[in-house]
Amino acid sequence: EIVLTQSPGTLSLSPGERATLSCRASQSVSSSYLAWYQQKPGQAPRLLFYGAYNRATGIPDRFSGSGYGTDFTLTISRLEPEDSAVYYCQQYGTSPWTFGQGTKVEIK
Amino acid sequence: EVQLLESGGGLLQPGGSLRLSCAGSGFTFSTNALSWVRQAPGKGLEWVSIISSSGDTTYYADSVKGRFTISRDNSKNIVYLQMNSLRAEDTAVYYCAKGDHFFDHWGQGTLVTVSS
Repeated sequence: EIVLTQSPGTLSLSPGERATLSCRASQSVSSSYLAWYQQKPGQAPRLLFYGAYNRATGIPDRFSGSGYGTDFTLTISRLEPEDSAVYYCQQYGTSPWTFGQGTKVEIK
Repeated sequence: EVQLLESGGGLLQPGGSLRLSCAGSGFTFSTNALSWVRQAPGKGLEWVSIISSSGDTTYYADSVKGRFTISRDNSKNIVYLQMNSLRAEDTAVYYCAKGDHFFDHWGQGTLVTVSS
């Protein structure tokens, strides 16, 4: 199965700063079949991106997704307090679908 | 508005069985694949199982293969997860999620605790 490794484990930044989250796959992800989710405490995950860079409905444009092959990035250009959450990547190019272990974003 | 509502979670002993349900509304249930994804306490997400829109194709994670069975009733807009031979490591919040590859809507989850 494809193992996804996310880094860093925790990111602590101030409002207005830029956050860069990495997701690295153990083998190439077919057709950039990679999704990103946001999960706040006590809530279900929320889809942010699919196909590496296609923004889901209602996601603010300060969020962007990029990458291909084995290296993918989620960028939050200007952090807002409500962006405090854990972010997960997921590949769906090869069964079984797998998730990264998550990156926690803390707002100072 | 798309809604997915899970039910059926609870506390049970190792070796026990449980059936989870997920009722869908606000979308055309019979044309959408559905999955179960779980999250152990304080841990990340793990895809468990998926069922096609018609119900004739199913897949499972290796960790549950042979113990869990996914099914659906499109006349009632419900998807089920029958869980047998439960283990402590199956303890998790179980989410129902809409989609066959990525998941665009999720339920709020139901907690399954396996403990003696």
